[in-house]
Amino acid sequence: GQQVMQIPQYQHVQEGEDFTTYCNSSTTLSNIQWYKQRPGGHPVFLIQLVKSGEVKKQKRLTFQFGEAKKNSSLHITATQTTDVGTYFCAGSGGSNYKLTFGKGTLLTVNP
Amino acid sequence: DARVTQTPRHKVTEMGQEVTMRCQPILGHNTVFWYRQTMMQGLELLAYFRNRAPLDDSGMPKDRFSAEMPDATLATLKIQPSEPRDSAVYFCASGLAGRGTEAFFGQGTRLTVV
Repeated sequence: GQQVMQIPQYQHVQEGEDFTTYCNSSTTLSNIQWYKQRPGGHPVFLIQLVKSGEVKKQKRLTFQFGEAKKNSSLHITATQTTDVGTYFCAGSGGSNYKLTFGKGTLLTVNP
Repeated sequence: DARVTQTPRHKVTEMGQEVTMRCQPILGHNTVFWYRQTMMQGLELLAYFRNRAPLDDSGMPKDRFSAEMPDATLATLKIQPSEPRDSAVYFCASGLAGRGTEAFFGQGTRLTVV
């Protein structure tokens, strides 16, 4: 079945440093979504990428979808303490809208 | 403000007891997911429904878990009998398939089996 791998598992940065998490799927995806979960909270949708090679930006966050639609990345520029949390990618293959999540990257930021 | 509602928020039970978790999806959403979150396994998809019909429950231990949607406003996840290894946070999420849009998560049910 579809598997989604995400690295790194943990990342600790100083405030102001950049952060990147990577996501790889065992199969070609129809779309990929990114979620953020604050400690003690629930996953909250950030963005969806659909097109091969797509790049989207949200303020300091940049999301990319690979040309082969099997990998994706999230890059945060100049991290802030409010960026703390676990970032998940979730892939969907075909038209079945079955969302498979990666294990997430826990980001901690030292002020 | 539309949201997914899960009850109970917390549940402590003894091993061997039956546990039922409930979820009210967002009105109009046609897809409901059940996920289990643990430190070791992350977010595991247990089952999901489209228009109340189960599409995939391959992630669910069949001998003790069951998931149903008795109507469009209620999804249930039942564990019978519960075991300590079932301790986790169980999330329900709903979405509108066909648009490929986001899944809205509930607050989760934190289950502890002692």
